[in-house]
Amino acid sequence: DQQVKQNSPSLSVQEGRISILNCDYTNSMFDYFLWYKKYPAEGPTFLISISSIKDKNEDGRFTVFLNKSAKHLSLHIVPSQPGDSAVYFCAAGGRQNFVFGPGTRLSVLP
Amino acid sequence: ETGVTQSPTHLIKTRGQQVTLRCSSQSGHNTVSWYQQALGQGPQFIFQYYREEENGRGNFPPRFSGLQFPNYSSELNVNALELDDSALYLCASSLSLAGTGNTIYFGEGSWLTVV
Repeated sequence: DQQVKQNSPSLSVQEGRISILNCDYTNSMFDYFLWYKKYPAEGPTFLISISSIKDKNEDGRFTVFLNKSAKHLSLHIVPSQPGDSAVYFCAAGGRQNFVFGPGTRLSVLP
Repeated sequence: ETGVTQSPTHLIKTRGQQVTLRCSSQSGHNTVSWYQQALGQGPQFIFQYYREEENGRGNFPPRFSGLQFPNYSSELNVNALELDDSALYLCASSLSLAGTGNTIYFGEGSWLTVV
């Protein structure tokens, strides 16, 4: 039973355009959400977080949107750059741990 | 650079053997979590240690055990290794209990191959 889903295994975007990565969760007790980027042979790198008391958080080119009623969050990257090509994981915070989605592989084409 | 360091980076073990993986937390972080990441999947929570005590455990058998030391460094021990234990093992540290509004920061991971 997947509590955190990323239904798009992969996404290709042209350089300079917007990348939108989506994530859905099922557990309404989750109240803290994170996005990570992972390159091959490296550990996940923290990108941005959002608490359930907010619906938007922005940091540079990265913006995370949270829709609690729909149990949905998304990561927007604008403008996308070739160096953004990586696997992106969303994670939802429970009482003691985070539950991760399976990841979306983003390819930003020059 | 997250300040979380793991060792060894790669290792190969034989089925039935035991392995110990080590982690040094980011300075000031008193909570460490361990995750297993198999190929093509997201990290799966193994357990969390807070001030040297286990504080939460995922769906992993008892042959996965851990320790946290007074300096907040940590070990993950796996006994009776199975082929399916082959994965990237990630250590993550946080200021306090993870999942409660505290972001976790990962190390580079230890790649374990069981043959």
